[in-house]
Amino acid sequence: GIQVEQSPPDLILQEGANSTLRCNFSDSVNNLQWFHQNPWGQLINLFYIPSGTKQNGRLSATTVATERYSLLYISSSQTTDSGVYFCAVGSPPTIFGAGTRLFVKA
Amino acid sequence: DAGITQSPRHKVTETGTPVTLRCHQTENHRYMYWYRQDPGHGLRLIHYSYGVKDTDKGEVSDGYSVSRSKTEDFLLTLESATSSQTSVYFCAISELDTAYEQYFGPGTRLTVT
Repeated sequence: GIQVEQSPPDLILQEGANSTLRCNFSDSVNNLQWFHQNPWGQLINLFYIPSGTKQNGRLSATTVATERYSLLYISSSQTTDSGVYFCAVGSPPTIFGAGTRLFVKA
Repeated sequence: DAGITQSPRHKVTETGTPVTLRCHQTENHRYMYWYRQDPGHGLRLIHYSYGVKDTDKGEVSDGYSVSRSKTEDFLLTLESATSSQTSVYFCAISELDTAYEQYFGPGTRLTVT
């Protein structure tokens, strides 16, 4: 089955810093999503992005499907960005990466 | 927010007892999913449904069964709970029209003692 690897596993930022999270996948996919799990456990959709680039405020994402990776950019990070970021690939069944745990210090 | 509720939100049960978790949606979406989340593993798919009475296994289906008799409800049953099934369980929904973009419920924390 498809393997999904996320890096880095952990990230600590000072408020205001920028960061890039990476998701590599082992096979071609027709479906890729990024999620944020906040400290209360809620999973929030960030992007549905099987290819191309999307932006939403301080967040943007790029997927290069031919090279099997996706990047999530967080600019001017805030403490509310803390939590775990997951990428997930595949139409059913869906495979999740293990996540990147982000802590933003005030 | 997608209209997804899960019940119960928290449950403590003893090894060997049956447990049923319920996922309810108000969106009339075709696809429904059950995941479990454990430290270090992200989310892993247990079972999913692509219509009433249509279900399929995910990567960690052993020890779990599901049923979907109505579009809005997807039930996850642990026939005889074990301590290894202590986890947080998430339900999700999606629709083919939106290319399977998934939306998650609030989760159920299950502890098997």
